[in-house]
Amino acid sequence: EDKVVQSPLSLVVHEGDTVTLNCSYEVTNFRSLLWYKQEKKAPTFLFMLTSSGIEKKSGRLSSILDKKELFSILNITATQTGDSAVYLCAVSISNFGNEKLTFGTGTRLTIIP
Amino acid sequence: DAGVIQSPRHEVTEMGQEVTLRCKPISGHDYLFWYRQTMMRGLELLIYFNNNVPIDDSGMPEDRFSAKMPNASFSTLKIQPSEPRDSAVYFCASSLGVTSKAFFGQGTRLTVV
Repeated sequence: EDKVVQSPLSLVVHEGDTVTLNCSYEVTNFRSLLWYKQEKKAPTFLFMLTSSGIEKKSGRLSSILDKKELFSILNITATQTGDSAVYLCAVSISNFGNEKLTFGTGTRLTIIP
Repeated sequence: DAGVIQSPRHEVTEMGQEVTLRCKPISGHDYLFWYRQTMMRGLELLIYFNNNVPIDDSGMPEDRFSAKMPNASFSTLKIQPSEPRDSAVYFCASSLGVTSKAFFGQGTRLTVV
């Protein structure tokens, strides 16, 4: 069974701190790994990673994938209260010529002012 | 583009009633996904379509659940009869090829009493 596991389940830090969120996976036919941010409503896309060792960056957020060890991390530096959200990791898996996303249960990040 | 549009936003119904959730994907997208999100199980893929054809419905929990996509701009998820354990937020998402980022609708919060 395909599995995506995120850790920690929840995290509370002070504004300005740096956080690292983890995502490990055990899947067949891996294609890519995606990170989403979910505030109150719909998940919104952050990054898609397909190759090991290549860091993706967007402002204070960055992410990297290790396909050998089967994990990814999402880093957020100089955190702000607006970063408070659930961060979801998803793995895209080949499925009989098509593909589908399997999500982890998420990490709930709370930033204290 | 207005994004993925779901209706209704909230639905409260009595156990045993039929519930129909609706989704309009982003124009031009060829994949459509239905997800269910609960605190206990996170985001679960129920079913997805490619070019209006159901590809994988292995996530549909029971025969009480059915989904259709009669054309490229409309899909429904029906629960008949509904049960309290069906209470969750149901998301519809669409993408242009699964390896590209999926765009989520705002979700339908379903409460079955």
